[in-house]
Amino acid sequence: QSVLTQPPSVSAAPGQKVTISCSGSSSNIGNNYVSWYQQLPGTAPKLLIYDNNKRPSGIPDRFSGSKSGTSATLGITGLQTGDEADYHCGTWDSSLSAWVFGGGTKLTVL
Amino acid sequence: QVQLQESGPGLVKPSQTLSLTCTVSGGSISSGGYYWIWIRQHPGKGLEWIGYIYYSGSTYYNPSLKSRVTLSVDTSKSQFSLNLTSVTAADTAVYYCARASVGAAPDYWGQGTLVTVSS
Repeated sequence: QSVLTQPPSVSAAPGQKVTISCSGSSSNIGNNYVSWYQQLPGTAPKLLIYDNNKRPSGIPDRFSGSKSGTSATLGITGLQTGDEADYHCGTWDSSLSAWVFGGGTKLTVL
Repeated sequence: QVQLQESGPGLVKPSQTLSLTCTVSGGSISSGGYYWIWIRQHPGKGLEWIGYIYYSGSTYYNPSLKSRVTLSVDTSKSQFSLNLTSVTAADTAVYYCARASVGAAPDYWGQGTLVTVSS
């Protein structure tokens, strides 16, 4: 059982937009920065978003992040088949004194 | 560009100790400013943070694993290591090493190594 809650799966058509939610509490998302990772099949997670809404160099602006209260959202526009992957949210939990992640969301581009 | 590579046995017997090493290249492990991290992923599941070590040897462990985990660092070899004692089948997972700037999210990750606990 993950500390952060994500939907198990989302899907959308190529070219469309999708959002993935990540729900937590005041001890994690509510008071700490959120990051998002993309994990292509059989590979390691790759940092997509950090500090709620910042993109590392090389990450296209089709990917965006936002946070409100104890929830965070990853948005992906102009969906491509290459975006099919698992997406994970993560943040520090001040009560647990540990970095915590969501259970991951599988994105299918139909 | 920083690269990390995990190494170690892919099969460990129950009750034994799981030992993995992460070799860092393209950057100095002793330059400061970074935490060196272990994270694992059970098959088909989400990510679980195990703990981190600073180049000085300071460590911080996930409370849920703290009693069984030891991290160490060898700056001369640009390596850091994970020891997990008394393993059971529940410790079967892909183990990743990663780097994070102090106070930030893990950014560079190794490719991961699958460790299976089985007799």
